[in-house]
Amino acid sequence: NAGVTQTPKFQVLKTGQSMTLQCAQDMNHNSMYWYRQDPGMGLRLIYYSASEGTTDKGEVPNGYNVSRLNKREFSLRLESAAPSQTSVYFCASRGRTDTQYFGPGTRLTVL
Amino acid sequence: GQQVMQIPQYQHVQEGEDFTTYCNSSTTLSNIQWYKQRPGGHPVFLIQLVKSGEVKKQKRLTFQFGEAKKNSSLHITATQTTDVGTYFCEGGSNYKLTFGKGTLLTVNP
Repeated sequence: NAGVTQTPKFQVLKTGQSMTLQCAQDMNHNSMYWYRQDPGMGLRLIYYSASEGTTDKGEVPNGYNVSRLNKREFSLRLESAAPSQTSVYFCASRGRTDTQYFGPGTRLTVL
Repeated sequence: GQQVMQIPQYQHVQEGEDFTTYCNSSTTLSNIQWYKQRPGGHPVFLIQLVKSGEVKKQKRLTFQFGEAKKNSSLHITATQTTDVGTYFCEGGSNYKLTFGKGTLLTVNP
């Protein structure tokens, strides 16, 4: 039982490059989330998926797209990376009790 | 919309001193969750409070949920260096969850 896994752990991109952050959970949770965390800004919600087949925008969705591939997997895509997207990205899943379980994070630098 | 304010933003204490962080919501909450994030780590669930006036303890940590279910606190007695990190609250209301911005605790040994 791995909980929530994320790949990659670290990534360096050049401005304009694209990449996909992968997330998977093995807890059979319906809801999954993508957050970014910047110093002094707390956790900001980018996108979430309340159930397989649905996705919704969070607080800061611009520049990102998501795919809920199946119940286990929820990916985040940056089509054209910008330096403002340098951040730590966390994926999380949530069960019926509202408790969120976070992945280890992806540390992304855009040059 | 729902807002969850968390104070203080930072707290530095000497080892052995007590520490408290507070969360206040603009709306009545259904529940509140507390998380701890160690430096360089990811948020880890600590506890959930659901009932009005609820108090829960985990060793040196005491969590309270206000009678009106609009505020909550986390109190650490006699801090240790292992308590270092950022503590987040997350309030749930009308199927919407909102994080506070967190309190960064540093402990001087």
